[in-house]
Amino acid sequence: EVQLLESGGDLVQPGGSLRLSCAASGFIFRNFAMSWIRQAPGKGLEWVSSITGNGVTTYFTDSMESRFTISRDNSNNTVYLHMSRLRVGDTALYYCAKGGRATGRWFDPWGPGTLVTVSS
Amino acid sequence: EIVLTQSPGTLSLSPGERATLSCRASQSISFNYLAWYQQKPGRAPRLLIYDASTRATGIPDRFSGSGSGTDFTLTISRLEPEDSAVYYCQRYGWSPMYSFGQGTRLEIK
Repeated sequence: EVQLLESGGDLVQPGGSLRLSCAASGFIFRNFAMSWIRQAPGKGLEWVSSITGNGVTTYFTDSMESRFTISRDNSNNTVYLHMSRLRVGDTALYYCAKGGRATGRWFDPWGPGTLVTVSS
Repeated sequence: EIVLTQSPGTLSLSPGERATLSCRASQSISFNYLAWYQQKPGRAPRLLIYDASTRATGIPDRFSGSGSGTDFTLTISRLEPEDSAVYYCQRYGWSPMYSFGQGTRLEIK
């Protein structure tokens, strides 16, 4: 069974940094892209970033590209989202999701999410 | 950037009826690279359909996807109370890689 578990969410002040982790199991991790998607309280889904299975190529939403980076450790089946210069508007539940292919496509399954709150 | 617009915003139907949810793209979506997700309160989204019409593993055949180009539809037949949820469409492909529609809330009366 494919399982994803995010961690690292916390309360952080504006301008601060945070690293989210997503531990994966139940599939050949290096063969699939991984992504981060967020959902602000009471709002819809917003794609954040993705990384191909081999870790060579990364993709970001334009508004986050300069502040967020994504990486993965295929030896430990973990994907990371490094967030810096956090803003109040980054407050959201952050999900990681497995891609349908090595290059991405659809998201399946999703983890339960980790909550990031940016507030002073 | 391709924008996805879902309609209606909210749909209220009775058990046994059929729901038709629309997702319209501002530009044609190549290769029918479109997916549908179901999200229940307090839960992560669940993949229902990918490549516009292929059901994901374990999804009942009451759920079906159709469409091409700019107009896509998710149809849920024989509605059950457990189908109450928010449904999102999502495109995938080229830069920017992914985007979601704003969601349709389905209420089962």
